[in-house]
Amino acid sequence: DVKVTQSSRYLVKRTGEKVFLECVQDMDHENMFWYRQDPGLGLRLIYFSYDVKMKEKGDIPEGYSVSREKKERFSLILESASTNQTSMYLCASRPYLYGYTFGSGTRLTVV
Amino acid sequence: KNEVEQSPQNLTAQEGEFITINCSYSVGISALHWLQQHPGGGIVSLFMLSSGKKKHGRLIATINIQEKHSSLHITASHPRDSAVYICAVWGETSGSRLTFGEGTQLTVNP
Repeated sequence: DVKVTQSSRYLVKRTGEKVFLECVQDMDHENMFWYRQDPGLGLRLIYFSYDVKMKEKGDIPEGYSVSREKKERFSLILESASTNQTSMYLCASRPYLYGYTFGSGTRLTVV
Repeated sequence: KNEVEQSPQNLTAQEGEFITINCSYSVGISALHWLQQHPGGGIVSLFMLSSGKKKHGRLIATINIQEKHSSLHITASHPRDSAVYICAVWGETSGSRLTFGEGTQLTVNP
């Protein structure tokens, strides 16, 4: 089975800290995605990448950046964490023609 | 109006009942996903379909492309089916991006 692994299930960070959320997939998928999920707002796309070193902004990229130096790894970076970035973050990947595989999520709390 | 709308938003059932969750969308799609999310957990893809019907165990998903509508059915529901079920569509012109419904919270009581 394809696995999408997010490095942390729960994280607590302080306002202003730089935060890295890591996502690794083991099936050579081209496309990788970062979403955040908030009550009443559903899943919203932050950034996605369709190849190494390629990235595209999603619907809510402000306050975030991403890095994809290797095909299997897609990192989400919060340059200066703020309390409104407290959320559940979900990574997903998919190959060119098939369906998505999601990670188990990282619940980030910024205090 | 959201591009993807689910109904109902919340559903409570007794163990053993037949359950239906509906999804309507307003855009042309390449495929539709049904996803399951347990409390505090990640998301599992249950089905991806672009036509007809798929079945996996007690779960059945159908799609009517002409009517822009899909349903997820659960037969002989069980408390472990309690989760949020999310419909997501892969638009014809959206590349790899999914558009999500807001989800249906299902609670199955013993």
